[in-house]
Amino acid sequence: DQQVKQNSPSLSVQEGRISILNCDYTNSMFDYFLWYKKYPAEGPTFLISISSIKDKNEDGRFTVFLNKSAKHLSLHIVPSQPGDSAVYFCAASNSGYALNFGKGTSLLVTP
Amino acid sequence: ETGVTQTPRHLVMGMTNKKSLKCEQHLGHNAMYWYKQSAKKPLELMFVYNFKEQTENNSVPSRFSPECPNSSHLFLHLHTLQPEDSALYLCASSQAFSGTRTSGVYNEQFFGPGTRLTVL
Repeated sequence: DQQVKQNSPSLSVQEGRISILNCDYTNSMFDYFLWYKKYPAEGPTFLISISSIKDKNEDGRFTVFLNKSAKHLSLHIVPSQPGDSAVYFCAASNSGYALNFGKGTSLLVTP
Repeated sequence: ETGVTQTPRHLVMGMTNKKSLKCEQHLGHNAMYWYKQSAKKPLELMFVYNFKEQTENNSVPSRFSPECPNSSHLFLHLHTLQPEDSALYLCASSQAFSGTRTSGVYNEQFFGPGTRLTVL
């Protein structure tokens, strides 16, 4: 049973606008959440993370929001750039090492 | 070489073949992982090694056999695979984790580029 869900397989955004990628989870024991970014022919690379004791973490243009009551997290990219076009994976952990991944959302940022 | 490398990048094999996937990390980590990504499915954790000891086997069929001879190298030995085993196999590494879990602590995993496996 899939515990981490990304319900939007794809998203298209204009350059300079905000990209919002969403992720839902079912396991209330998850206490650490991450976003990975993947370009074609490369492995996923870590982007940003958030611990369950926080509700927001910001790193430059990237902000992750966590709503524990709704079991929902989102990644905001502002402003979006063409180089942000990639597949974004949401992941969650409750063991300190094992990651549960979503299926990914393919983001396309158009000029 | 830097980061996490995987060889080969592409592999085509028959169901009766035996082959091995290799992963090497140059990050000084002590934990290594195998993941499988099938089409339209999320990445699935297969095996975890911490200080060369296998700590997790996520109900993986015995036709997949991992080997971790040292903290820098990880192998996945393949034999008598099925066409449904065709997938992208990703290796990752991280700092080692302790047996005592601290809530909200996570060691970031660094991924290799993967091996695209096709079983005919």
